[in-house]
Amino acid sequence: EAQVTQNPRYLITVTGKKLTVTCSQNMNHEYMSWYRQDPGLGLRQIYYSMNVEVTDKGDVPEGYKVSRKEKRNFPLILESPSPNQTSLYFCASSPRRGSYEQYFGPGTRLTVT
Amino acid sequence: KNEVEQSPQNLTAQEGEFITINCSYSVGISALHWLQQHPGGGIVSLFMLSSGKKKHGRLIATINIQEKHSSLHITASHPRDSAVYICAVNGSGNTGKLIFGQGTTLQVKP
Repeated sequence: EAQVTQNPRYLITVTGKKLTVTCSQNMNHEYMSWYRQDPGLGLRQIYYSMNVEVTDKGDVPEGYKVSRKEKRNFPLILESPSPNQTSLYFCASSPRRGSYEQYFGPGTRLTVT
Repeated sequence: KNEVEQSPQNLTAQEGEFITINCSYSVGISALHWLQQHPGGGIVSLFMLSSGKKKHGRLIATINIQEKHSSLHITASHPRDSAVYICAVNGSGNTGKLIFGQGTTLQVKP
């Protein structure tokens, strides 16, 4: 089944404890992206990757890192999480950048205390 | 002012009604997306448009590039259509950036 998977789905952590949210797709898509969703602010793009080893900042990259060493995986790294990174995170992929339908993962709900 | 504006923010309809959700944008785009987010949180892509009109079942999406406006129509609405509908645009230049509207929360009552 074609899908985008994220792990973990739920995470409660403490300020400053490094964490990684994994994202994997099995559709051989070139483009992958991370978004966060907050009440009243909607969805905002964190980082995106147009292919292996190619990543770029979205609108809200501060406090996050990403890597794209393989085509299928695009992990989101929070080196030192803070409470303002409490949010619902979505990973998505599409065949290529730009004008293509996006496939979203199920979301990861992160709480930083 | 947001680059992508949706209206209305909230919409309540009776089952069977025709529904229209609007999206206006102020930037040049290469494509516009309509997304649906169900109460459980998952997001699915409904349409991707760069011109004209697309139809899928009871859903119709249109875009007017000159007016920088898109509409999502739902015919014969049903309670299962209750969801948040989100408009998003790819900027021109075929970049990887996606800009989202704030979403429209639709409730369809039986």
